[in-house]
Amino acid sequence: SQQGEEDPQALSIQEGENATMNCSYKTSINNLQWYRQNSGRGLVHLILIRSNEREKHSGRLRVTLDTSKKSSSLLITASRAADTASYFCATETTDSWGKLQFGAGTQVVVTP
Amino acid sequence: GAVVSQHPSRVICKSGTSVKIECRSLDFQATTMFWYRQFPKQSLMLMATSNEGSKATYEQGVEKDKFLINHASLTLSTLTVTSAHPEDSSFYICSASRAGGANEQFFGPGTRLTVL
Repeated sequence: SQQGEEDPQALSIQEGENATMNCSYKTSINNLQWYRQNSGRGLVHLILIRSNEREKHSGRLRVTLDTSKKSSSLLITASRAADTASYFCATETTDSWGKLQFGAGTQVVVTP
Repeated sequence: GAVVSQHPSRVICKSGTSVKIECRSLDFQATTMFWYRQFPKQSLMLMATSNEGSKATYEQGVEKDKFLINHASLTLSTLTVTSAHPEDSSFYICSASRAGGANEQFFGPGTRLTVL
């Protein structure tokens, strides 16, 4: 079963706008990770946030984690056409060290 | 660094044949490798976890006799889809993690399997 649920399922924005997507999960986690996937390709790791962290930045990416609400958000600022991809959250739960459970993903389309 | 390759990238086969997919960590030793499958417009579903030199651990609902996994070395894991059927058509992705790594998995580019 899927641990993470993401919303929105799809997001269409224009270049320069910010894109925000959310991920909710059900059980206790060691960490939560965000990945991107271009159509028909493998996954690229974006950022990892540990359960004792609340916010993390990497370039134009900002990730928040609220363990009390079991949710995380990924913000992409000043989006570019090259950001068009599917974005997945994945959780490493406390009872399955090393294994990741992926959310359903958010498909982001950035138009020039 | 931390590059994972998969071979082949794409395979088309007839129903009933077996297909082997290789996953290699090119520049690091992978203590653990994971195999996922992904149906179109869906998320990744973990199939099994393999540790070098030991038997793979399969997720619930995954037939171990149908999806044979071998992790013979620290840089190579193989997934063999035995007696493939059209419903096995999917995108198969492997990932690898390294000892002492920050829980990060490095993903291969995936293998598109089409069973006719």
